[in-house]
Amino acid sequence: QVQLQESGPGLVKPSQTLSLTCTVSGGSISSGGYYWSWIRQHPGKGLEWIGYIYYSGSTYYNPSLKSRVTISVDTSKNQFSLKLSSVTAADTAVYYCARDNMVRGVFDYWGQGTLVTVSS
Amino acid sequence: DIVMTQSPDSLAVSLGERATINCKSSQSVLYSSNNKNYLAWYQQKPGQPPKLLIYWASTRESGVPDRFSGSGSGTDFTLTISSLQAEDVAVYYCQQYYSTPLFTFGPGTKVDIK
Repeated sequence: QVQLQESGPGLVKPSQTLSLTCTVSGGSISSGGYYWSWIRQHPGKGLEWIGYIYYSGSTYYNPSLKSRVTISVDTSKNQFSLKLSSVTAADTAVYYCARDNMVRGVFDYWGQGTLVTVSS
Repeated sequence: DIVMTQSPDSLAVSLGERATINCKSSQSVLYSSNNKNYLAWYQQKPGQPPKLLIYWASTRESGVPDRFSGSGSGTDFTLTISSLQAEDVAVYYCQQYYSTPLFTFGPGTKVDIK
């Protein structure tokens, strides 16, 4: 059973960089066949896809966030990470990591999510 | 971007009754080459991540009760809960993956017990 777990600071100051890591267990990121995504949910709101990475390191980002987002992968640790720069209060959200099944094209496994608050 | 809309915003249904949620995409999500609709449904309970219920518009994910069914094609889709159970109280989201990798979700529909 694949499990994903987000980790990182729950509070980030405005203008700083938000950094989160997703640790994958029960399966190898390097096995291929999946993209590894970050998705966020503003408080009480809907879901926004941020971007994804393949184990090879190739990435694709939501154009609305592209200038501020970097997603990287560390296959040796079976982890992938999100960096979001120049954050504002509008970036306060629950951040989820999720597995995108390339065959079915959907998010079939999700982490529990971590709330990141942007505040001074 | 493909914009997803859902209706209603919320609904309350008696236990054992049918719940119907609608989802509309701003453009067709039907791929003519394979005749598949790139549309999924998720269930999100309070404090939990979304859970995949249905993909290809009508294929139930493994382990999902058969009271959940999806239908529709092109731009108009429906999620039906045939006999609402207490554990079905949640927010339901549709999601298109036609414009992969630019995935977009609907705004959600909240389902409660009447």
